[in-house]
Amino acid sequence: QLQLRESGPGLVKPSETLSLTCAVSGDSISTSYYYWGWIRQPPGKALEWIGSLYYSASTYYNPSLKSRLTLSADTSKNHFSLRLTSVTATDTAIYYCATSPMGLGEHFYFDSWGQGILVTVSS
Amino acid sequence: QSLLTQPPSVSAAPGQRVTISCSGSKSNVGSNFVSWYHQVPGTAPKLLIYDSDKRPSGIPDRFSGSRSGSTATLGITGLQTGDEADYYCGSWDSGLGTWLFGGGTKLTVL
Repeated sequence: QLQLRESGPGLVKPSETLSLTCAVSGDSISTSYYYWGWIRQPPGKALEWIGSLYYSASTYYNPSLKSRLTLSADTSKNHFSLRLTSVTATDTAIYYCATSPMGLGEHFYFDSWGQGILVTVSS
Repeated sequence: QSLLTQPPSVSAAPGQRVTISCSGSKSNVGSNFVSWYHQVPGTAPKLLIYDSDKRPSGIPDRFSGSRSGSTATLGITGLQTGDEADYYCGSWDSGLGTWLFGGGTKLTVL
């Protein structure tokens, strides 16, 4: 069964870069047909899609974050990563990694989720 | 303000039926499938419904989904106290080229 686990610093200073990793077990990023994604949830607020990628280097970003966002995959470590630059307090959220068995578009959805990691942006 | 509009809260008694709506537009719910997620506070969301009306394995048939025009609906019958959670809809928006989540609905089982 596919399992996802987020890791990274829980505190990031304003204007710095937030970097998170999602470790995948139970399947291989390079041979799986899944799309690998990130979703975040500010405390007490709704979910927000950050972006998704396919291991063959196709990436899809939320237009509102695109200028600050990079998603990547490391097939040798079987994990994928998020890098968000120039963070502010509004980037404080629980960050989830999740999988999608279908490509972006009509049939897209998230079927497996990591437990989430709280990242606070504060000096 | 999400482009997918859900009621902030709904409530019903144990054993009863409740519905949660997700209202969008032609470019999202009106032309793409909807998924629904259940989130107990402090835990990760869990997929309940995909492709508007399909249940993943392990999800009881008390949960159902439907879509008509630009509005999708989640139905829950035989309400249990364990159903108390936040519920989110989601859909791709073809016009914006982005995935959207609704604002979430808090279900209270009285």
